[in-house]
Amino acid sequence: EAGVAQSPRYKIIEKRQSVAFWCNPISGHATLYWYQQILGQGPKLLIQFQNNGVVDDSQLPKDRFSAERLKGVDSTLKIQPAKLEDSAVYLCASSFGGPPMAEQYFGPGTRLTVT
Amino acid sequence: RKEVEQDPGPFNVPEGATVAFNCTYSNSASQSFFWYRQDCRKEPKLLMSVYSSGNEDGRFTAQLNRASQYISLLIRDSKLSDSATYLCVVALDQTGANNLFFGTGTRLTVIP
Repeated sequence: EAGVAQSPRYKIIEKRQSVAFWCNPISGHATLYWYQQILGQGPKLLIQFQNNGVVDDSQLPKDRFSAERLKGVDSTLKIQPAKLEDSAVYLCASSFGGPPMAEQYFGPGTRLTVT
Repeated sequence: RKEVEQDPGPFNVPEGATVAFNCTYSNSASQSFFWYRQDCRKEPKLLMSVYSSGNEDGRFTAQLNRASQYISLLIRDSKLSDSATYLCVVALDQTGANNLFFGTGTRLTVIP
C-alpha cells in the first residue's frame, strides 16, 4: 500500500519569500493533518481536514499560513511570507477518519529552512 | 503547563538492557494514549496504543495510570534497532480536532 506522499522533501528560502508544500494522503483516508515539527520538539497540529472541509485550524497562524484540500484528496500548505521561526519539518498525516483518532500515518515531511 | 511532558533523555543503554520511559499528561479528560516512534530525520510511526489494563507487544509493554495521569513504556532486551525517539501522544477525544498532543519525545540510544 502506498504511503503518504509529500513534496518537496527539502526547501530553502529567504525570509519574506513564499513557499508551498504538497501532500497526497493514503487512498481512502478521509482525514488529513498538517503538523509543524521544530527541531527537538514533538509535532504540533496546524490544521485538520475531514474530506475537503476544515475541522479545526485554531493553531494555524492565519496571517501567513493557509491550507486547502479542494477535492478532498491531496492538500497544499502555503506560507506567505516566511519568517525565520518557520524553519521546521512540515509533516502531513492521514487517517481513515474513524476512531481511534491517533492512528495516523505520516509522510516523510518537508524540511524547510528559512534564512 | 504543557499538555504532555516527557523526559527528553537521552537514554544510553547497552544491548539487552531494560529501559523505561515515562510521560505525564495534564488534562484528566484525555481519553486515548499512544506511543509513537520516530527515527532520526524520519516521520513518526505508531508503536502501540496504551490501554487502561496495560498491554504488551513482544518486548514492549505500555501502561496507563489514569489516577496519576501517567503513561509508561517499557522495553525489554533492548536491540540496536530500538535506537530512536519515542513520542508520547495523548488525545482528548476521538472525534474532535485539535485534541491530539505530542510530547517532545525521549531519545534512546542502544549501545553495542
